[in-house]
Amino acid sequence: DTGVSQNPRHKITKRGQNVTFRCDPISEHNRLYWYRQTLGQGPEFLTYFQNEAQLEKSRLLSDRFSAERPKGSFSTLEIQRTEQGDSAMYLCASSFPGNQPQHFGDGTRLSIL
Amino acid sequence: SQQGEEDPQALSIQEGENATMNCSYKTSINNLQWYRQNSGRGLVHLILIRSNEREKHSGRLRVTLDTSKKSSSLLITASRAADTASYFCATDSLTGGGNKLTFGTGTQLKVEL
Repeated sequence: DTGVSQNPRHKITKRGQNVTFRCDPISEHNRLYWYRQTLGQGPEFLTYFQNEAQLEKSRLLSDRFSAERPKGSFSTLEIQRTEQGDSAMYLCASSFPGNQPQHFGDGTRLSIL
Repeated sequence: SQQGEEDPQALSIQEGENATMNCSYKTSINNLQWYRQNSGRGLVHLILIRSNEREKHSGRLRVTLDTSKKSSSLLITASRAADTASYFCATDSLTGGGNKLTFGTGTQLKVEL
């Protein structure tokens, strides 16, 4: 299966700790997106990359959040000094540019104790 | 605020019946997409309809788009228990860049045997 892969699937951590998630997109896709989804809501856009360039960041992405895509392939999302409100499912998607569907991974569920 | 709003929030039907879900949005769009999400999993792309299209079919799915009313509907015909999931519409806005998607809060569909 060459779909979008996210690791870890679940992360439990204490408030104040740093966490890092990884996303491996579909290899041919040059666009990569991060979304956050809380219970009972639809996903909310966080940021996206075209190749290695981070082209847009949502206002939801506070300065505790940082995302990278160093070689235009996999991406990491780091949250520093986690807070209770960071508990959510973090979803990664990839696509070709233009009017194309986005393909999602199964997400990383973050729980803050 | 949510760009797409699905209606109804929850729908329960018997296997074999048709299910119709509606989505309204606020801004001009490049395209509108429908996704399915099973509990605890990522989103699965169902169908993409471009702003210059009015109707699209894929298997048991039929999507309509009315840009004058800023609304879309998803029809699932001859539903099966396996169709039980949350369904989201997502818009790719003309005013935004990078084809980032704005999701609604979803319709929870339950198909009973």
